[in-house]
Amino acid sequence: EAGVAQSPRYKIIEKRQSVAFWCNPISGHATLYWYQQILGQGPKLLIQFQNNGVVDDSQLPKDRFSAERLKGVDSTLKIQPAKLEDSAVYLCASSLLQTWIGEAFFGQGTRLTVV
Amino acid sequence: AQSVTQPDIHITVSEGASLELRCNYSYGATPYLFWYVQSPGQGLQLLLKYFSGDTLVQGIKGFEAEFKRSQSSFNLRKPSVHWSDAAEYFCAVATKKNTGTASKLTFGTGTRLQVTL
Repeated sequence: EAGVAQSPRYKIIEKRQSVAFWCNPISGHATLYWYQQILGQGPKLLIQFQNNGVVDDSQLPKDRFSAERLKGVDSTLKIQPAKLEDSAVYLCASSLLQTWIGEAFFGQGTRLTVV
Repeated sequence: AQSVTQPDIHITVSEGASLELRCNYSYGATPYLFWYVQSPGQGLQLLLKYFSGDTLVQGIKGFEAEFKRSQSSFNLRKPSVHWSDAAEYFCAVATKKNTGTASKLTFGTGTRLQVTL
């Protein structure tokens, strides 16, 4: 079965620019997560979708970050405007609704560098 | 709120030696615990998980972990480490919401394993 697909793999932007990341979860997975992993730290949940509804976005900096999951499949995460501290790897993961426990399958991530 | 502590930032072991990576969690109810491995430039791969039942769980690549409720721990072990095991290891805890919706995974800060030949 195909894994979680993310693009781009790498992105370098200047501060105050905008950027968008794309994620295609495993087919049939109802739950989708976006995590931010800053160098030397564990992944931190930014937002969690169940189908196309938001379940948890308590740690999403909503003044600059936005995410959507149209039709309950693909998802995009946007940052506008970017700050230096947004430099991190952005990981997308998905899991089956039935296995609600979150046996999440992760994509390879998008490494963002803000200069 | 749930939390996970991995007290060891970096561990070095010789190939063939045994390994134990520590993980402590904080959560009021029964936690659901996971170990993930992350190789350089890769996403996270699930090694093993604990939901309930037998407190000693077996995972992939020869890893095992033991859930000890009294110590709030879920340490990862391997009897004989291979050079290919060098990677970052993350412990994570999950919960179930009353609504029955999918859980939130909270990760520790990770332990970087270095294997010397």
